[in-house]
Amino acid sequence: NAGVTQTPKFRILKIGQSMTLQCTQDMNHNYMYWYRQDPGMGLKLIYYSVGAGITDKGEVPNGYNVSRSTTEDFPLRLELAAPSQTSVYFCASSYWGSGTEAFFGQGTRLTVV
Amino acid sequence: AQTVTQSQPEMSVQEAETVTLSCTYDTSESDYYLFWYKQPPSRQMILVIRQEAYKQQNATENRFSVNFQKAAKSFSLKISDSQLGDAAMYFCAYRSASWRAQKLVFGQGTRLTINP
Repeated sequence: NAGVTQTPKFRILKIGQSMTLQCTQDMNHNYMYWYRQDPGMGLKLIYYSVGAGITDKGEVPNGYNVSRSTTEDFPLRLELAAPSQTSVYFCASSYWGSGTEAFFGQGTRLTVV
Repeated sequence: AQTVTQSQPEMSVQEAETVTLSCTYDTSESDYYLFWYKQPPSRQMILVIRQEAYKQQNATENRFSVNFQKAAKSFSLKISDSQLGDAAMYFCAYRSASWRAQKLVFGQGTRLTINP
């Protein structure tokens, strides 16, 4: 059972570079989320999606973009990377239904230098 | 917008004793879900327990139970008979029951240390 798969697990970017964090889930979940977690802190919501073709901003969307062309995939794009984007990024998914939990990927540790 | 607050950045407890982690939230909705997640050093997010707001009965999962006070917007986690494997960051989370607004909002976390 793959669940939620994130790639890459680690990445070092130079300031101004761009990259895409990949996230795919095989549970046919409606909802998908992107979070960032700074050291010793909680998870802050970047973007989320309630289904293919629908995305909404979370708490900290600046500097990021997302798309949801399929149910399975929810890539996160970083344009013009900045040191403030150094963080651990988590993708999660959940099914619409009473109290269903969110399943998380293993995270991507991104360092911008 | 919904917010979740965990006022205890760190807690510690002796092995086999009981500890309670606090969580408060702010919302104008009447229907929602609340969760406690555990994050060990491996970074994996693990669901500990969930509570539906429409249920008055507090959820229980083995050694883990909650005290859900809807009017006070409080959702605390009690861990009984603490074990070394319980050491982790614990996050409280809120999710609306509205179809379009099902973003999952987390608190800042509480780091729990278990002393042998």
